[in-house]
Amino acid sequence: DQQVKQNSPSLSVQEGRISILNCDYTNSMFDYFLWYKKYPAEGPTFLISISSIKDKNEDGRFTVFLNKSAKHLSLHIVPSQPGDSAVYFCAALRSRAAGNKLTFGGGTRVLVKP
Amino acid sequence: ETGVTQSPTHLIKTRGQQVTLRCSSQSGHNTVSWYQQALGQGPQFIFQYYREEENGRGNFPPRFSGLQFPNYSSELNVNALELDDSALYLCASSLGGAGNTIYFGEGSWLTVV
Repeated sequence: DQQVKQNSPSLSVQEGRISILNCDYTNSMFDYFLWYKKYPAEGPTFLISISSIKDKNEDGRFTVFLNKSAKHLSLHIVPSQPGDSAVYFCAALRSRAAGNKLTFGGGTRVLVKP
Repeated sequence: ETGVTQSPTHLIKTRGQQVTLRCSSQSGHNTVSWYQQALGQGPQFIFQYYREEENGRGNFPPRFSGLQFPNYSSELNVNALELDDSALYLCASSLGGAGNTIYFGEGSWLTVV
């Protein structure tokens, strides 16, 4: 039972263009969502998060959109840079009391071509 | 640099053996959790410790156990290793609950042969 899904295992984009990563979830109890970036041989690094009371959160080149009715969120990276090439994970939390109990998607590997 | 350190970084064990993985959380972080990431998959939550008490567990059998020490460092122990336990084991720490940034270590690669 995969409660968080990233249906695109990989994405290739030209430098300077927009990268759009998608994530779907099934558990309506999730109320906090996070995106992590992972390079090989490193642990996941926090990128950006969004609470279920919002529909958009922006931090520099990264913007996360949340559509609660569709149980869908997306991460936009504009403009994409070669250093953004990594695996991106979407993760969800059930409540603020859940601590670190993250439910992760399977990841999307992004390749930004110079 | 997240301030979360894990050891060892790589190890090979034989099926049936036991393994202990260690995690030193970021200074002051009282919540530590462990994840298993199999190749090509996202991390799966194993369990979480808050102030030395386990307060959340994922869908893992009892042979996966843990400890958190007074200095908030943590151990993951796996008994009776199986081939499917081969994975990257990640430790994550934070100060308190959700909404606070969760920091991950670089992980321990376990290969069971």
